[in-house]
Amino acid sequence: GQQLNQSPQSMFIQEGEDVSMNCTSSSIFNTWLWYKQEPGEGPVLLIALYKAGELTSNGRLTAQFGITRKDSFLNISASIPSDVGIYFCAGAQGGSEKLVFGKGTKLTVNP
Amino acid sequence: GAVVSQHPSWVICKSGTSVKIECRSLDFQATTMFWYRQFPKQSLMLMATSNEGSKATYEQGVEKDKFLINHASLTLSTLTVTSAHPEDSSFYICSARASGTYSTDTQYFGPGTRLTVL
Repeated sequence: GQQLNQSPQSMFIQEGEDVSMNCTSSSIFNTWLWYKQEPGEGPVLLIALYKAGELTSNGRLTAQFGITRKDSFLNISASIPSDVGIYFCAGAQGGSEKLVFGKGTKLTVNP
Repeated sequence: GAVVSQHPSWVICKSGTSVKIECRSLDFQATTMFWYRQFPKQSLMLMATSNEGSKATYEQGVEKDKFLINHASLTLSTLTVTSAHPEDSSFYICSARASGTYSTDTQYFGPGTRLTVL
C-alpha cells in the first residue's frame, strides 16, 4: 500500500541538540499527524496538523504542514534522554478514513 | 482526553485456541476504530476498519474469518484471533477515530496487545 517517505530512518544525537525529521509524499494529504512510539507501547499522538502552512508547537516539539500539502516536518529542540523512541508521521487523504504511515525515525539521545 | 485502552496488554496462548482483544475509547465516542498489526522494527500495518453497527472492512490479504472484528458500541471494538497459530504472534494495536470537525482524521491509539502463540 501507499506509504509516506520519512527521513531520516534513524538519528543518534547528543542531549541538548535539536532534531529535525520530515515526511514527503507524491500525493496531497488533508491531515498530517506525528506520533511517538516507545518499545512495547502504542503510538502516542504528539501533534496534529489540519491546514496547509499550519505551524503548531507542543512544548519542545514543533511541526508544520507543508504549503503544497505533500510534506510535513517535526522539530524537537533541546533534546533530552526521554525523547528516545520511534517517531512516525501519518497522513489522511480526502475521501479516505485510513491513515498512511511513514516507516518511522528511530531517535537515540546520548546523555 | 482521547484515551484508548486495550485489554489484555499481553497474552500467551496455545496453538489452535482463540484469543479476544478488546479496544475501548474511554472518554470519547468513536464511530470508527481501526486494528493494526506491527512486526518488530516495522511500521503499523492496517488490518481492518471497524464501524459501529456494521461489518468491518478488511485490508487485502487479511483473512476475515481468522480475524473476527465486532464493533457493538461507540466505545468498544473487539478483535478475535481464531485458531491462532505461531505465525499470528505479533503486536496488535487498535486506534479510535474521534468525531468532530477538524479532528475527524485523528486517530488515538491503544497501548497495544502482545500476542504470543505457542
